[in-house]
Amino acid sequence: EIVLTQSPATLSLSLGEKATLYCRASQSVSNYLAWYQQKPGQAPRLLIYDASNRATGIPARFSGNGSGTDFTLSISSLEPEDIAVYYCQQRSNWRTFGQGTKVEIK
Amino acid sequence: QVQLQESGPGLVKPSETLSLTCTVSGGSISNYYWSWIRQSPEKRLEWIGYIHYSGSTNCNPSLKSRVTISVDQSKNQVSLKLKSVTAADTALYYCAREAPLGYWDYMDVWGKGTTVTVSS
Repeated sequence: EIVLTQSPATLSLSLGEKATLYCRASQSVSNYLAWYQQKPGQAPRLLIYDASNRATGIPARFSGNGSGTDFTLSISSLEPEDIAVYYCQQRSNWRTFGQGTKVEIK
Repeated sequence: QVQLQESGPGLVKPSETLSLTCTVSGGSISNYYWSWIRQSPEKRLEWIGYIHYSGSTNCNPSLKSRVTISVDQSKNQVSLKLKSVTAADTALYYCAREAPLGYWDYMDVWGKGTTVTVSS
């Protein structure tokens, strides 16, 4: 099983700051990685697929990067509606999720 | 706009079988994979398995011996059965559509989820 490790567990930032979230895979997943956003009481929402492609309707402030074992999700300027937990998910071998990074306002 | 709705008993006794249904509205079940995912009380997400509309399935190896996933195209429904449940199966259960967005399929539409508690 491919294990995804996300860091940090919690990211505390001010509105307007840049957020960078990390996801490391236990073995290469090529670029078959997605990022999801989950707000309290809601289902996860697809943000990024194939490591760097934004899903339909996702604002341009969200961007993904990486390949192999190391990936990042960036939010260029944090908005109030971005407060959520973010999960990475690999699609290379079955499907597994990271444990999540909580983004909160400092 | 495609919507998914999970349904089923909210309480299941230990050793019994958990049965859930995902009803797809606003679109066809055809040409997609449909996955079941659960989220533990600690908020960990775990993929349970998927079914293609044609009926082919695949499951998380850690759950494979207990999981059955089926599809009813006439009703636009996907079903999950998980047998011999324990308290560790207590979770929020989601169904999700997997769409061919890139090289692979990704979960682009999710239901709201249904909570299942395993307790006597």
